[in-house]
Amino acid sequence: AIQMTQSPSSLSASVGDRVTISCRASEGIRNVLAWYQQKPGKAPKLLIYAASSLQSGVPSRFSGSGSGTDFTLTISSLQPEDFATYYCLQDYSYPYTFGQGTKLEIK
Amino acid sequence: QVQLVQSGAEVKKPGASVRVSCQVSGYSFTDYYIHWVRQTPGQGLEWMGWINPDTGRTKYAQKFEGRVTMTRDTSINTAFMELSRLRGDDTAVYYCAFISSFDHWGQGALVTVTS
Repeated sequence: AIQMTQSPSSLSASVGDRVTISCRASEGIRNVLAWYQQKPGKAPKLLIYAASSLQSGVPSRFSGSGSGTDFTLTISSLQPEDFATYYCLQDYSYPYTFGQGTKLEIK
Repeated sequence: QVQLVQSGAEVKKPGASVRVSCQVSGYSFTDYYIHWVRQTPGQGLEWMGWINPDTGRTKYAQKFEGRVTMTRDTSINTAFMELSRLRGDDTAVYYCAFISSFDHWGQGALVTVTS
């Protein structure tokens, strides 16, 4: 199975900060990667698909980049509602696998 | 609007089976594969497999092969996930979802396995 390694596992930041979360695949997955946001007690919500395509309705401060094995989610200017846990997902090959998550907390 | 409504929380003993349902509305049931994903404190998010509601074809993660069965009933627009031979580490929230840009998830169903 392809392993997805996210870094950091947790991150403290302030409103207005620029934040970057990384995800590394154990083997190449082209651009078949998605980013999800999850808040406590809620289902994950899709932010980015195909590594860099912004999901409809998601604010433009979210962006994704990367291809092959290294991927990045960037939030350009943190808003209070962005404090949550973020996961990457590869759906390139079976079994689909998620990263372990990055918890974004208020500094 | 599109909705995926799951069955309620369950408490099961080790060795038992659990069946979680996922009733969908607001779109054509046979248009999108339905995936099952579980979330445990220890393992995070884990993909279990999918079912094609049109044909009934399934694809399971190898980890769950032999223990999981995904089915559907097109007459009631409902998908089912049954997990057998439950263990304590199967305690999790189980979600049905679309893994695609057609992003919709059920509300989750907590399954607790305890003696």
